[in-house]
Amino acid sequence: NAGVTQTPKFRVLKTGQSMTLLCAQDMNHEYMYWYRQDPGMGLRLIHYSVGEGTTAKGEVPDGYNVSRLKKQNFLLGLESAAPSQTSVYFCASSYHRTVNNQPQHFGDGTRLSIL
Amino acid sequence: KQEVTQIPAALSVPEGENLVLNCSFTDSAIYNLQWFRQDPGKGLTSLLLIQSSQREQTSGRLNASLDKSSGRSTLYIAASQPGDSATYLCAVGSGTYKYIFGTGTRLKVLA
Repeated sequence: NAGVTQTPKFRVLKTGQSMTLLCAQDMNHEYMYWYRQDPGMGLRLIHYSVGEGTTAKGEVPDGYNVSRLKKQNFLLGLESAAPSQTSVYFCASSYHRTVNNQPQHFGDGTRLSIL
Repeated sequence: KQEVTQIPAALSVPEGENLVLNCSFTDSAIYNLQWFRQDPGKGLTSLLLIQSSQREQTSGRLNASLDKSSGRSTLYIAASQPGDSATYLCAVGSGTYKYIFGTGTRLKVLA
């Protein structure tokens, strides 16, 4: 069972560089999410998607863009990386909210350092 | 704005103890609450999910309760084991499609 797969697992960037994080899920989930996790801050929602072709802003969207061209993939882009974006990024997915007792499933994270 | 708090931030207990982890939230208008486990360097694993209409859920040695009116949830772990050592996070399903996470309780069970 692959579940939620994030690539890459680690990356070091220089300030101003761009990159794309990829999230893929094989559970046919409608909802997908990107979070960042920082010490003492908990997980904060960056962007989310409730279906193919749709995206919405979360709690901390500035400096990030997302796309969901296919139902199974959710991409997170950093156009011009800044040291404040050093973090661990998690992708999650879930069924539609009306499906009871269906939790969010998380990937193992991408550890990103911006120098 | 929904805020989720977990106290204590860290906890050490000897093996075999029963323990309770706490999660509180400020807005009772939630549609569910999840408890997760996170091991170092790993993602989150869902342990229990309680719908807003439910009072508790059980899985093995774990029992989670929900009291919406008081804005509280507890995770009870029976007969703790060293393998239970991890960070435990609660997340409140609040608003449209969103989860608000607490900062977690870091649990260490001593052999």
